[in-house]
Amino acid sequence: DAKTTQPPSMDCAEGRAANLPCNHSTISGNEYVYWYRQIHSQGPQYIIHGLKNNETNEMASLIITEDRKSSTLILPHATLRDTAVYYCIVRVVIGTALIFGKGTTLSVSS
Amino acid sequence: DAGVTQSPTHLIKTRGQQVTLRCSPKSGHDTVSWYQQALGQGPQFIFQYYEEEERQRGNFPDRFSGHQFPNYSSELNVNALLLGDSALYLCASSPTPGASYEQYFGPGTRLTVT
Repeated sequence: DAKTTQPPSMDCAEGRAANLPCNHSTISGNEYVYWYRQIHSQGPQYIIHGLKNNETNEMASLIITEDRKSSTLILPHATLRDTAVYYCIVRVVIGTALIFGKGTTLSVSS
Repeated sequence: DAGVTQSPTHLIKTRGQQVTLRCSPKSGHDTVSWYQQALGQGPQFIFQYYEEEERQRGNFPDRFSGHQFPNYSSELNVNALLLGDSALYLCASSPTPGASYEQYFGPGTRLTVT
């Protein structure tokens, strides 16, 4: 079973920030938090990952709480092309598979 | 640089038949993982290949088998197809099985079993 809990769906207006929460209260000290997204009929796409520090790349920012029991993926200026299912996954570094849950369906509208 | 490629794109098979799906990893990647995604669900891990050997396996029956070739490409074989095997089959590649690199996914093969 997935070790994360995400809301099934969220809506966001185009141009606004999308904040996607994820609960991972049983995360272990050596597990990273990964975020992937899947646009309809495509394979999942890596977005970002982190251990305990906040991370930012050209796609998004990842905010991890100090106790590491939850995190938030932030898309700073959502566009219609960001409409997708977003998956939050916890994973150790060495050799483990990605365990997907059902994710959050983000709908961005104009 | 070509990403992960999969063939065929779509496939229709009859219950009881066998099917082979193919995957070519992203250039520079030597590890291939296979996932099954049923409609409305997240991808489920089937197995991972590295150095031509199965290194990890998810909760799938022995009807699901695979192979990795010296050029790192991979095949997924499913025998005695069931209606429940209808799904999108995704291949993902990464540089090594132990690094914290992200996995790159292909577009998938849509298998329909009738």
